[in-house]
Amino acid sequence: DTGVSQDPRHKITKRGQNVTFRCDPISEHNRLYWYRQTLGQGPEFLTYFQNEAQLEKSRLLSDRFSAERPKGSFSTLEIQRTEQGDSAMYLCASSWLTDTQYFGPGTRLTVL
Amino acid sequence: AQTVTQSQPEMSVQEAETVTLSCTYDTSESDYYLFWYKQPPSRQMILVIRQEAYKQQNATENRFSVNFQKAAKSFSLKISDSQLGDAAMYFCAYRSQTGNQFYFGTGTSLTVIP
Repeated sequence: DTGVSQDPRHKITKRGQNVTFRCDPISEHNRLYWYRQTLGQGPEFLTYFQNEAQLEKSRLLSDRFSAERPKGSFSTLEIQRTEQGDSAMYLCASSWLTDTQYFGPGTRLTVL
Repeated sequence: AQTVTQSQPEMSVQEAETVTLSCTYDTSESDYYLFWYKQPPSRQMILVIRQEAYKQQNATENRFSVNFQKAAKSFSLKISDSQLGDAAMYFCAYRSQTGNQFYFGTGTSLTVIP
């Protein structure tokens, strides 16, 4: 069990560019979650997958955001036409049948 | 939507002493789960302790214990014999029995004074 991993750990981009983040969950976990965390705040739910199906999306997830989980393994989160307000830590978490979510180290996005 | 409130943005404790972090939540559901997560500086969030609402007994994990008051919708975390490694941001979180979303509070930053 190597834990949840995320790549890259840091991303600096210019406004208007597209970025993509990757999350590799714990191998036997069928549920995968994306959160966004801004400074001084707790994580805010973005979206949730059970296997390859995206079952819930927050209204925080605008049309510029898209997430996929092909084959129910790793997941990607893409942000198109980034804005300065997208600057945040993007956290991925996974779980199996228990309610405990295990978090990755996060990807810190800075939009200049 | 459920809300989770942590009214203490910052707390400090002397090493080896005991500290209690507060958390309240708002829900109309009877079955749910509550969690405390720890987020050390620049490190990933890890689970400290969890509590099922249907269990009356308070959860305990080594030096960490909770005081779960269901009627008051209160879920405080007690850290005994505080250690320097306990310094971190602590988040309280709620998950309903049927939902998949976690709702997090705004966190309490704990400083441990040597």
